[in-house]
Amino acid sequence: NAGVTQTPKFRVLKTGQSMTLLCAQDMNHEYMYWYRQDPGMGLRLIHYSVGEGTTAKGEVPDGYNVSRLKKQNFLLGLESAAPSQTSVYFCASSYSRGRGTAAFFGQGTRLTVV
Amino acid sequence: GESVGLHLPTLSVQEGDNSIINCAYSNSASDYFIWYKQESGKGPQFIIDIRSNMDKRQGQRVTVLLNKTVKHLSLQIAATQPGDSAVYFCADYTGTASKLTFGTGTRLQVTL
Repeated sequence: NAGVTQTPKFRVLKTGQSMTLLCAQDMNHEYMYWYRQDPGMGLRLIHYSVGEGTTAKGEVPDGYNVSRLKKQNFLLGLESAAPSQTSVYFCASSYSRGRGTAAFFGQGTRLTVV
Repeated sequence: GESVGLHLPTLSVQEGDNSIINCAYSNSASDYFIWYKQESGKGPQFIIDIRSNMDKRQGQRVTVLLNKTVKHLSLQIAATQPGDSAVYFCADYTGTASKLTFGTGTRLQVTL
């Protein structure tokens, strides 16, 4: 069982470059999330999606865009990377509201912007 | 704004002892409270959750207690093992907002 798979696992970007992080889940979950994790700050929600074709902003959405064209995939884009976006990014998915709250996380993508 | 926070950043426990990790929350509208375990280099892993209308829930070696009067929840791990060493996060889930909000985490260190 693959669960939640993130690609790539590591990436180094130069300031101003763009990139897309891919998240794929095979559990038929409705909800998907993108978080960033910085030292001492826990996980902060960037964007989330409650279903195919829908996205919403989390608490730290600036500088990021997302798309959910297929139910199983949730893409996180950085249009113009900045050093402040150096972080570990986690994707998660969960069942829809009322069917449980357990979110399943991917292994993370460590992004460094120089 | 709403927040979920933890009392202590690091907890050191001897192998075989019970561990208690505490968490305070401020969002009285939360529907669920969830505990996650994160090992080094890995994503958070779901441990146990509790609905806001419950005050206790037990799993395998773990118990979560919820005290809504003082907005506090705790995770108790029985007979702590070296494999329990990790960072533990509490999180709250609000159905109307459809999202999880995480605290900053407590590092559990198990000594032999």
